[in-house]
Amino acid sequence: KQEVTQIPAALSVPEGENLVLNCSFTDSAIYNLQWFRQDPGKGLTSLLLIQSSQREQTSGRLNASLDKSSGRSTLYIAASQPGDSATYLCAVRSSDYGGSQGNLIFGKGTKLSVKP
Amino acid sequence: GAGVSQSPSNKVTEKGKDVELRCDPISGHTALYWYRQSLGQGLEFLIYFQGNSAPDKSGLPSDRFSAERTGGSVSTLTIQRTQQEDSAVYLCASSRGVSGANVLTFGAGSRLTVL
Repeated sequence: KQEVTQIPAALSVPEGENLVLNCSFTDSAIYNLQWFRQDPGKGLTSLLLIQSSQREQTSGRLNASLDKSSGRSTLYIAASQPGDSATYLCAVRSSDYGGSQGNLIFGKGTKLSVKP
Repeated sequence: GAGVSQSPSNKVTEKGKDVELRCDPISGHTALYWYRQSLGQGLEFLIYFQGNSAPDKSGLPSDRFSAERTGGSVSTLTIQRTQQEDSAVYLCASSRGVSGANVLTFGAGSRLTVL
């Protein structure tokens, strides 16, 4: 059974700092991995999606890497800003199929606080 | 609509009552998922709809939970005889298709509190 773990559970950094969020998964046979952002009282916003054949994806100040063989992904945030404060969720998809085979398995998230 | 719409945003109910949660997916999205997010827990898959196919109910925690999707669009998640452990945020997501290349778009969720 696939399990996704995110460390740390919470992180507080001063504005401007570069930071790394970690995600690990137990079954390396994944189809893709996604990083989401969740703001209080709001839904999830997809940040980056990495296919199993890819090693990284970049969007603005965000860079996500994937090492499938070791079951790890990292989300790197450069020059953090107070607006980056949110909970960041990692999710893996084990199959290209829909339904329970293709649904996303989520970690519990890392709650990030960026202090001005 | 422009995004996935869920209602109500907040629901407080008494133990034993039935509740209905509604999800209006993005127009044209054929795949629809329900997830549950309990305090301190990750998102838990509940049920999946794809077009006119029979739904995949394998994630529903008990027979008190059911869902339907009418006309391939709006979905309703029903919880009968609610229990305190049902308290959670119920999130709906939709995608254009079933392929893993399709990104899921999530609604803001319905926060259920069972007293």
